[in-house]
Amino acid sequence: DAGVIQSPRHEVTEMGQEVTLRCKPISGHNSLFWYRQTMMRGLELLIYFNNNVPIDDSGMPEDRFSAKMPNASFSTLKIQPSEPRDSAVYFCASSRSGDPPSSGFFRHVGYTFGSGTRLTVV
Amino acid sequence: GQQVMQIPQYQHVQEGEDFTTYCNSSTTLSNIQWYKQRPGGHPVFLIQLVKSGEVKKQKRLTFQFGEAKKNSSLHITATQTTDVGTYFCAGFDLDSNYQLIWGAGTKLIIKP
Repeated sequence: DAGVIQSPRHEVTEMGQEVTLRCKPISGHNSLFWYRQTMMRGLELLIYFNNNVPIDDSGMPEDRFSAKMPNASFSTLKIQPSEPRDSAVYFCASSRSGDPPSSGFFRHVGYTFGSGTRLTVV
Repeated sequence: GQQVMQIPQYQHVQEGEDFTTYCNSSTTLSNIQWYKQRPGGHPVFLIQLVKSGEVKKQKRLTFQFGEAKKNSSLHITATQTTDVGTYFCAGFDLDSNYQLIWGAGTKLIIKP
């Protein structure tokens, strides 16, 4: 298994530009998470998909951020327009779960993280 | 809101010394997970504890889950340079079906 695959590994862009981060989850995993990690705020959950459907996007900072999961093997996180404060490492993670909200199975599976995208907005 | 407090933030040890990190939750957890993140890397799942008072071992690593399911610890015996990294605890609140509540992590630094 190739694990969770993210691209690009590094992205440097100018303020105001559109940035698209990509993620391929592990085959068979039906839950996908986008996280952002900074020194100041640690790991923050941005959005959670289950069976390709966005379940909770309350962590998305503002309207400049959007995420899609058109199929079980691909997700994107887009920032438009980007700002310097968006600079961070963005992780995608996947796991197997039952359908929310009632499946206890979900709680008993570790997440597999991708290698992350280090975004720098100048 | 739900919080998981993790201490210490950093720990410097000589190679061969022991290391411990502690997590305390403001609410009862259904389970707790531990992850390790190497410098420049991504979090890697280590283990999950589910039962009250559970203790699990992985070689030199010992994980404990408190009786009240509100606290947990990770202890590393005789640290090695390969143990360097940040250790995170993360738990599922009883009321949350999917959102892990993450501790801030403890960074293990091996003194030369």
